[in-house]
Amino acid sequence: KNQVEQSPQSLIILEGKNCTLQCNYTVSPFSNLRWYKQDTGRGPVSLTIMTFSENTKSNGRYTATLDADTKQSSLHITASQLSDSASYICVVSAPHSGYALNFGKGTSLLVTP
Amino acid sequence: KAGVTQTPRYLIKTRGQQVTLSCSPISGHRSVSWYQQTPGQGLQFLFEYFSETQRNKGNFPGRFSGRQFSNSRSEMNVSTLELGDSALYLCASSLSGQPADTQYFGPGTRLTVL
Repeated sequence: KNQVEQSPQSLIILEGKNCTLQCNYTVSPFSNLRWYKQDTGRGPVSLTIMTFSENTKSNGRYTATLDADTKQSSLHITASQLSDSASYICVVSAPHSGYALNFGKGTSLLVTP
Repeated sequence: KAGVTQTPRYLIKTRGQQVTLSCSPISGHRSVSWYQQTPGQGLQFLFEYFSETQRNKGNFPGRFSGRQFSNSRSEMNVSTLELGDSALYLCASSLSGQPADTQYFGPGTRLTVL
């Protein structure tokens, strides 16, 4: 069973609207949680990295939150733009595992005019 | 600063053949990781190299191997290709390989096995 589950699998929103993507994980203990954005045909790009002691991290219109007690994270996108259309991937790493990362299967976001 | 480069970008092979993929990290980065991405499984970790040593390995058969050179460039080899090996292979580099480091991904090599 995958240790990182993301929801929804896909999402369509209108340009200018906000949205929230969810990530639940069972990796324990964990050292950090990352959110990546992957445009079609390109490699993932890091949006945020949070350690277990951090609750929130922002990168422009992207804000990630983390609740280590419930093992949940969310990525909130504010005032969406057409360029936000992409796959968003949640990644959790365990201590001492380096980049042996646990990946969610991603949420595919489509922003329409 | 140039980003992570991968060659070739696209590759078509037949079952039973072998393939070698190349990754050049960002200058100064010493850690290189490889990942396989498929629509069904998403991204899966293959292995990570740091200073020419494999530090971590994912759950892939021995047909998947890699190496890193003294200039941090890395190669990944897949022998006896199977249809299921068709995927996007991504490499990523980071400065020191610490989990808190930001990883920078290349554009990937799209491998199709016929």
